[in-house]
Amino acid sequence: DVKVTQSSRYLVKRTGEKVFLECVQDMDHENMFWYRQDPGLGLRLIYFSYDVKMKEKGDIPEGYSVSREKKERFSLILESASTNQTSMYLCASSSRIGPSSYNSPLHFGNGTRLTVT
Amino acid sequence: ILNVEQSPQSLHVQEGDSTNFTCSFPSSNFYALHWYRWETAKSPEALFVMTLNGDEKKKGQISATLNTKEGYSYLYIKGSQPEDSATYLCAFERNSGNTPLVFGKGTRLSVIA
Repeated sequence: DVKVTQSSRYLVKRTGEKVFLECVQDMDHENMFWYRQDPGLGLRLIYFSYDVKMKEKGDIPEGYSVSREKKERFSLILESASTNQTSMYLCASSSRIGPSSYNSPLHFGNGTRLTVT
Repeated sequence: ILNVEQSPQSLHVQEGDSTNFTCSFPSSNFYALHWYRWETAKSPEALFVMTLNGDEKKKGQISATLNTKEGYSYLYIKGSQPEDSATYLCAFERNSGNTPLVFGKGTRLSVIA
């Protein structure tokens, strides 16, 4: 069974702090994703990565950066946390997407609930 | 901008009721339609990935249908149980390379015992 592990379930940080959210998957998946989930807005994609050292902006990348130095690990970085980044953050991985991806769903971590005060 | 719409936004049913909800998506550049179930305090888990027009998939008492020509999918739950309470998400996958899924906002189902 695929396991996607997020380092923290709950985090409380102060405005202006640099925040690292870590995600590790154990199935050698090429693709990894960071989403945030807010009430009424659904899942919104922040960044994704198709391969080591590759990153692509999602729909809402402002205020975030990512790092993928190893295939299994995808880190989300809040350079200077702000209160509007208080949210549930979900990491996901998949083996492949697009025309060669048949039956390749996303596998999600349990989420990190971040509160910025 | 791709639009994936789910309706209703929320639903309350009695235990034993059957229910269904809708996902609407673009009918062009379609590759696949995903359904996920997200229970409170857990991670979203995949229910179905559907690719063929007219496809129907089933998992226990949950089934889904797909119409790619008109751009909709229905999720059915027969004889709902309290453990079916969750948010059900659909996501559209385009047929253009490594393009991320576009999620709907979900339908929140509450099954009352």
